[in-house]
Amino acid sequence: EAQVTQNPRYLITVTGKKLTVTCSQNMNHEYMSWYRQDPGLGLRQIYYSMNVEVTDKGDVPEGYKVSRKEKRNFPLILESPSPNQTSLYFCASSTGEVGKLFFGSGTQLSVL
Amino acid sequence: GQNIDQPTEMTATEGAIVQINCTYQTSGFNGLFWYQQHAGEAPTFLSYNVLDGLEEKGRFSSFLSRSKGYSYLLLKELQMKDSASYLCAVQDSNYQLIWGAGTKLIIKP
Repeated sequence: EAQVTQNPRYLITVTGKKLTVTCSQNMNHEYMSWYRQDPGLGLRQIYYSMNVEVTDKGDVPEGYKVSRKEKRNFPLILESPSPNQTSLYFCASSTGEVGKLFFGSGTQLSVL
Repeated sequence: GQNIDQPTEMTATEGAIVQINCTYQTSGFNGLFWYQQHAGEAPTFLSYNVLDGLEEKGRFSSFLSRSKGYSYLLLKELQMKDSASYLCAVQDSNYQLIWGAGTKLIIKP
C-alpha cells in the first residue's frame, strides 16, 4: 500500500530533550516536506527536500533540523525542544506535482 | 505579502449544497488545491485547478478565476461524513504551497 509513515503518533517530552520524528514514504517520491499545524494558523512549512541530499528552509525553520540521506526517509529533529514547538506535525511527499501531497498520519507533540 | 483567505467556519444541512470560498494574493500562481481534513487526521487531496473554470469530480466541484484571485469548492448532496475542514492552498512562482487556515464545515441533520 502506498503510504507515508510517520512515527510516533503522540509524543510528550520536556524542554531541552532532543527528539526525532521519523517519516518514510514507499512511493519513490522526490519531494518531501514537514509542516506544523496550529489552530487558526493553518499549515506552515518547516523544511522541504526536492531530492536526496537537498534540503531547504520553509517558513518556520527555527529550532528544527532535517536530513535526506535516502530518498524514502526524511526525519525531523528537534535538538532542544521548547514549549512553543508544541504542535501537530505532518510529513508529506509528492512526485513532480509538488502541490498534490500525500500526508503522514501526523505527530501530536507536547513539550512541557 | 502572500495571503489566502477563507471563512473560518460554515454550517450546512444534510442533503443541501454548500460553497466554500477562497481568495488569494500570492507571488505568482501555478495552481490552486483543495484538501479535506477530518478532525485528528491528515489532509487528503480533493482537487486541483490551474486554468479558469469549473472542475467537477462527483459531488465535489472546484472553480477558479485567476483574474479575480478567487476559487470556490462546491459540495452537493451533503452527507454527515463531509463534516471536516477544507483547506485551500496556492502554488506560488517557486512551486511552494501557500495554505489558508481552513474552513471548518459543520453538517447538521
